[in-house]
Amino acid sequence: GAGVSQSPSNKVTEKGKDVELRCDPISGHTALYWYRQRLGQGLEFLIYFQGNSAPDKSGLPSDRFSAERTGESVSTLTIQRTQQEDSAVYLCASSYSNNQPQHFGDGTRLSIL
Amino acid sequence: TQLLEQSPQFLSIQEGENLTVYCNSSSVFSSLQWYRQEPGEGPVLLVTVVTGGEVKKLKRLTFQFGDARKDSSLHITAAQPGDTGLYLCAGAYNQGGKLIFGQGTELSVKP
Repeated sequence: GAGVSQSPSNKVTEKGKDVELRCDPISGHTALYWYRQRLGQGLEFLIYFQGNSAPDKSGLPSDRFSAERTGESVSTLTIQRTQQEDSAVYLCASSYSNNQPQHFGDGTRLSIL
Repeated sequence: TQLLEQSPQFLSIQEGENLTVYCNSSSVFSSLQWYRQEPGEGPVLLVTVVTGGEVKKLKRLTFQFGDARKDSSLHITAAQPGDTGLYLCAGAYNQGGKLIFGQGTELSVKP
């Protein structure tokens, strides 16, 4: 399809394990965003990419969280040594350029046991 | 802290009733967006408002941006069960486009 694709759709892991979440943006979209959504809540901004650079990482909760983007396309969000409070839906969005409408994927539902 | 207060958090109404959802902030936004989210899916953009005082209509939905670009409202006329979902407002600053989201309004329209 032509939309934002995220994988896996669901991930269950044990506390202390590392997880990697993937986002495939819409082709040609230069801006890519990661957000986190706790149950029944609005979205919290995590990080923004323009091309392969991340000019705004201000929302990353701790140094256990990191993200990268390659080829101005795919992005991965990595959470190291997961904690139970990391349980949430992680949503990715892309836009043609910054300040343009953002199109969201369906998210990865992460559950930490 | 950049905050966007959204109210009410929950709303349960009967089919045919009208409703209004509010988003308020002490900050000025360059634009404000309204999204609707279904369970298990990502938010879907309904509208973007940019100009202070702007009013946009989308069928039975009316969106308004405050004159000072600090607040916005969503009004639904004659709500239908298909309107059920989570409605989110989100403000943008001219800082790369990251969105600041409200807490969401969970709307349930009963037939």
